[in-house]
Amino acid sequence: AQKITQTQPGMFVQEKEAVTLDCTYDTSDQSYGLFWYKQPSSGEMIFLIYQGSYDEQNATEGRYSLNFQKARKSANLVISASQLGDSAMYFCAMRAYFSNDYKLSFGAGTTVTVRA
Amino acid sequence: GAVVSQHPSWVICKSGTSVKIECRSLDFQATTMFWYRQFPKQSLMLMATSNEGSKATYEQGVEKDKFLINHASLTLSTLTVTSAHPEDSSFYICSARDLGGGPAGTQYFGPGTRLTVL
Repeated sequence: AQKITQTQPGMFVQEKEAVTLDCTYDTSDQSYGLFWYKQPSSGEMIFLIYQGSYDEQNATEGRYSLNFQKARKSANLVISASQLGDSAMYFCAMRAYFSNDYKLSFGAGTTVTVRA
Repeated sequence: GAVVSQHPSWVICKSGTSVKIECRSLDFQATTMFWYRQFPKQSLMLMATSNEGSKATYEQGVEKDKFLINHASLTLSTLTVTSAHPEDSSFYICSARDLGGGPAGTQYFGPGTRLTVL
């Protein structure tokens, strides 16, 4: 079984600054994928970025980057140049590849509030 | 990109009635869809995995007779909350796994349905 831990329930960040959201995971699987989703107040879950356990480079998607430290079992999300529209709840999730059920395990989430 | 729709976006019903929620993948085929329940400011709780052409797999503690799931085609799954009661009030959100694209195992989510049972 996988466990995802997000220790920051809420964060404030100034507009145009960068923010790092922590995510650690616990798994005995060697092959897995890590995902970050954004959930604004409207409720929709928006897929942001993916990192495979065997990927040698950290994933990047526009202003989002994933700081993947496999030995530490951490997959922190970095949002650069924060915008007001980044205010949302962010979830880290994981899926083990050998599992054929494609289930995701989610963390508790981190609420980010961007201040003007 | 992969788009998933849900209908209705919100519904208010009387206690004892049944409510059907539709989840559609609009631009891709999905053999597997997932149904989640979410309480305010909490994480998503997986209720069941919906597989096209077969019975849904329910998570422990989820009443299969209360939450009926039908995955009739590669683009449509439905969740029916039968004999709804106030404690069933929640935000229900579905997701679909894109067969043809996206990183392995990526789930794309619908906008959710807010159910209020009076």
